[in-house]
Amino acid sequence: AQSVTQPDIHITVSEGASLELRCNYSYGATPYLFWYVQSPGQGLQLLLKYFSGDTLVQGIKGFEAEFKRSQSSFNLRKPSVHWSDAAEYFCVAMFSGGYNKLIFGAGTRLAVHP
Amino acid sequence: GAVVSQHPSRVICKSGTSVKIECRSLDFQATTMFWYRQFPKQSLMLMATSNEGSKATYEQGVEKDKFLINHASLTLSTLTVTSAHPEDSSFYICSAKWRPSEGAYLDYGYTFGSGTRLTVV
Repeated sequence: AQSVTQPDIHITVSEGASLELRCNYSYGATPYLFWYVQSPGQGLQLLLKYFSGDTLVQGIKGFEAEFKRSQSSFNLRKPSVHWSDAAEYFCVAMFSGGYNKLIFGAGTRLAVHP
Repeated sequence: GAVVSQHPSRVICKSGTSVKIECRSLDFQATTMFWYRQFPKQSLMLMATSNEGSKATYEQGVEKDKFLINHASLTLSTLTVTSAHPEDSSFYICSAKWRPSEGAYLDYGYTFGSGTRLTVV
């Protein structure tokens, strides 16, 4: 079945440290891939997306993600985390033949220590 | 651009009553809208997909008679929780698919509403 896996349920980093959030999708045709962030009391905000082309995608707020077909992965990175980055991060995929449906990963909750 | 407005943000209702949640695309036409449910500290689960002018497509396990979806126009979709019970208490989120420019077939996005916290007492 088509699925998205985020192995890390909870991650804690210190402010200023680098960050990498992992995401893998089920094997098959390359889906369209997204990273969304959900802050408390706010809606989901798109950080970046990958459809095709350059496998290193730049997003908002200093985030980037790299698509690796060989690993079926789309990991999210940020070189220096800010306290305001504390939130829930969702890796999302839309698989071909999926009738536009988005498949959400379980989410990774990021905590940032001062 | 591509803003989705969802109302109300919070609603408390008595068991047995119905509640309507609205989702509007403010600056674009949304031919396809989606409704999700999110339990505390969990991911979003797709409930149904609604296309303007046609019946919604429900995911397996979602009761279509309990969760009525109407997508009567290109800018409005509604979710009505009928005969609500405490187990229906949850966070409901709508989403709309949009395309930045005509002809950009592969370039589109999904915008989410800010969600509705439903509490049934």
